[in-house]
Amino acid sequence: DTQMTQSPSSLSASVGDRVNITCRASQSISNYLNWYQVKLGKAPKLLIYAASSLESGVPSRFSGSGSGTDFSLTISSLQPDDFATYYCQQCHSSPRTFGQGTKLEIK
Amino acid sequence: QMQLQESGPGLVTPSETLSLTCTVSGGSISSSDYYWGWIRQSPGKGLEWIGIIYYSGITYYNPSLKSRFTISIDTSKNQFSLKLTSVTAADTAVYYCARQKWGGTTPFDSWGQGTLVTVSS
Repeated sequence: DTQMTQSPSSLSASVGDRVNITCRASQSISNYLNWYQVKLGKAPKLLIYAASSLESGVPSRFSGSGSGTDFSLTISSLQPDDFATYYCQQCHSSPRTFGQGTKLEIK
Repeated sequence: QMQLQESGPGLVTPSETLSLTCTVSGGSISSSDYYWGWIRQSPGKGLEWIGIIYYSGITYYNPSLKSRFTISIDTSKNQFSLKLTSVTAADTAVYYCARQKWGGTTPFDSWGQGTLVTVSS
């Protein structure tokens, strides 16, 4: 299986901050990398697909970059609604593994 | 807009079989444009990909999981289902159903809210 490692596992930040979450794959996955936002009791939300493509309806403050084994999700200016847990997922090979998650908390 | 909703028992006895259903509304599950999948999140852990099914019944499972999972589809009811046999406490999790666009490398672009399943006697 392709292992996905996210860092940090948790992060405290303030509204307006710029935040960066990284995801590293145990082998090259080209650009087959997605980012999701998960909140308890709500449907998870696709933010970014193919490493850098913004899903329709997702605010432009979210952006993704990377290829091969190293990827990142950036939130340019944190909003109150952004405090959640973020997961990367590779869709290069089966099984489609996820990272362990990054919990973004209010400072 | 297509919506997905999981349903099933919140509590299951160890060694029994867990059955969950995902009802799709706002679109047809028989569409050739999508796969339909299940993902779970155990307490304190990350997301785990269980498997997906196509409207034709073709399935793909996570080979890293023991073969206790079965995904099926009922196009007449616009539903797909997950069965997990011989459950243990380790199967306690929030189970999500989701939609994946057809294609080998596409993401889950629409999810249900998830349903919490607790395995306990």
